[in-house]
Amino acid sequence: EVQLVESGGGLVKPGGSLRLSCAASGFTLRNVWMTWVRQAPGKGLEWVGRIKSESEGGTIDYAAPVKGRFTISRDDSKNTLYLQMDSLKTDDTGVYYCTMVPAIAGPGGWFDPWGQGTLVTVSS
Amino acid sequence: EIMLTQSPATLSLSPGERATLSCRASESVGRYLGWYQQKPGQAPRLLIYDASNRATGIPARFSGSGSGTDFTLTISSLEPEDFAVYYCQQRRYWWTFGQGTKVEIK
Repeated sequence: EVQLVESGGGLVKPGGSLRLSCAASGFTLRNVWMTWVRQAPGKGLEWVGRIKSESEGGTIDYAAPVKGRFTISRDDSKNTLYLQMDSLKTDDTGVYYCTMVPAIAGPGGWFDPWGQGTLVTVSS
Repeated sequence: EIMLTQSPATLSLSPGERATLSCRASESVGRYLGWYQQKPGQAPRLLIYDASNRATGIPARFSGSGSGTDFTLTISSLEPEDFAVYYCQQRRYWWTFGQGTKVEIK
């Protein structure tokens, strides 16, 4: 069974850093695309970033609001995805989800399944 | 950025009724439109992909239609567990989501 479990959320001051983890089981992380998606309290969903599979070069792209501040990485030995968040702002507050992007014809892909999410609160 | 506008914001219906949710894109996304369901305190779940394909394990009462800029999610007969928030998403150019439609019990 494919499972994603996020951890690492918490309270951090503006300007601070936090690293989120997404432990994958039931599949090999380096063989698929993965994304991070966030949701501000009471708001909608926002794509944060994507890492391609190893066979596609592991290319990483970010949404404009986080580019230059967030970094996606992967530890193949632990089958774990990471989101390093630096220079955090209050607007970064929300639940962060990791998702798998199964291969499909055409651009991008769909987000399925999702982890349960981890809450990040940026506040002084 | 491709903007997705969902309507209505809230749909108040009774169990057994038909629900019709709309999603309009700011430019054509072809058939690269999907729908997700999110219940309180839970992660979203993929329902429909590429406009009209049900994801694995999704009941037949959920159906999607449309192409280009106008899409519809239909729930033929609402079950108690269907009351939730529904989001559309496009994958034509990067990924963006609509703001959501809440289906609430009338």
